[in-house]
Amino acid sequence: AQKVTQAQTEISVVEKEDVTLDCVYETRDTTYYLFWYKQPPSGELVFLIRRNSFDEQNEISGRYSWNFQKSTSSFNFTITASQVVDSAVYFCALSEAGSGGYQKVTFGTGTKLQVIP
Amino acid sequence: SQTIHQWPATLVQPVGSPLSLECTVEGTSNPNLYWYRQAAGRGLQLLFYSVGIGQISSEVPQNLSASRPQDRQFILSSKKLLLSDSGFYLCAWSVWGTVETQYFGPGTRLLVL
Repeated sequence: AQKVTQAQTEISVVEKEDVTLDCVYETRDTTYYLFWYKQPPSGELVFLIRRNSFDEQNEISGRYSWNFQKSTSSFNFTITASQVVDSAVYFCALSEAGSGGYQKVTFGTGTKLQVIP
Repeated sequence: SQTIHQWPATLVQPVGSPLSLECTVEGTSNPNLYWYRQAAGRGLQLLFYSVGIGQISSEVPQNLSASRPQDRQFILSSKKLLLSDSGFYLCAWSVWGTVETQYFGPGTRLLVL
């Protein structure tokens, strides 16, 4: 069975600090996909990134960067120079290639990030 | 571009009353559709998914049911609400037949009193 662990329940940082959100996953499949979502106080989950298991290149998008390491089954998310608008709950998720036109996504329990001005 | 709508945004219902939450998707055809529930301060629990009209699969046995009367419409229902049904309900869609990203709607906050 697939599993996603986000050990950090809550993190507080002061604005402009860098912060890394950890994500560790378990799966038996060789083909799988990893995601990060952001849930601001309004509640809607906003998609941030998707990586497949064959692409271990790290990715950078503005102040956001992601570090995918298959050797440690981790997919960590770093926010550089954090801002108050980054305050949200962040979810890591894992999807395995399924059949019948459907894939099951397993979500972690989320990390609540508070950026203090 | 695709958009997903949910309504109502907020709902307060008494115990034992019926429930109907609606989700519609625009800008795509034959999507996979999902209902999730998020209890306060917790992660997401998949309730139902659908790969086509009239095709519903349940992940967790419970007091709720789902229906898909049209290609881009997904409805979550209950005949009699329980206190434990309170939570934040999210609908999501993804492209059929691929391991694609799930995109979420704005959610419905349900409080059962």
